[in-house]
Amino acid sequence: DQQVKQNSPSLSVQEGRISILNCDYTNSMFDYFLWYKKYPAEGPTFLISISSIKDKNEDGRFTVFLNKSAKHLSLHIVPSQPGDSAVYFCAARTTGFQKLVFGTGTRLLVSP
Amino acid sequence: DADVTQTPRNRITKTGKRIMLECSQTKGHDRMYWYRQDPGLGLRLIYYSFDVKDINKGEISDGYSVSRQAQAKFSLSLESAIPNQTALYFCATSDPDSRRYNEQFFGPGTRLTVL
Repeated sequence: DQQVKQNSPSLSVQEGRISILNCDYTNSMFDYFLWYKKYPAEGPTFLISISSIKDKNEDGRFTVFLNKSAKHLSLHIVPSQPGDSAVYFCAARTTGFQKLVFGTGTRLLVSP
Repeated sequence: DADVTQTPRNRITKTGKRIMLECSQTKGHDRMYWYRQDPGLGLRLIYYSFDVKDINKGEISDGYSVSRQAQAKFSLSLESAIPNQTALYFCATSDPDSRRYNEQFFGPGTRLTVL
């Protein structure tokens, strides 16, 4: 039972364009969502997060949008850069716990 | 220096062998986690520990055991390795009392191959 789903295993974008990575979840008890980025041979690193009481959070080129009614969140990267090429994981936390449930990841390739 | 270190970084072993993966952290965090990553399955939680005396099973703990030797050390053992335990293993930490309490901080991973 996959509670956090990333339905696109890969995404290719040209440098300078917008990258949109999507994530769907099924558990209404999730109250906090995070995006992690992972380069080869490295561990995941935190990128950006959003609380369930908000619908948008922005940090530089990265913006996360949350649509609670649709149980959907997305990560926008504008403008995309070749250094953004990595695997992106969406993660969700249940109220009262610090365990995270991760999605399956989306591999982003930004070409020059 | 890395805050979360894992040893070994790569390991090849044979079916039936016992193997231990080690994780150390200098972040001073009480909470530690072990995950495995498989292609198409993302990161799945094996075990987690909220302090030295508190160890809990995650979603895929069968075939694994852990030991929390100190606040800074959390080891994962495969008592009798099998090929479907071939995966990338990550250790992570978190601090519930910090401003970044929702984040987990990951080590670089151990690539384990069971032949």
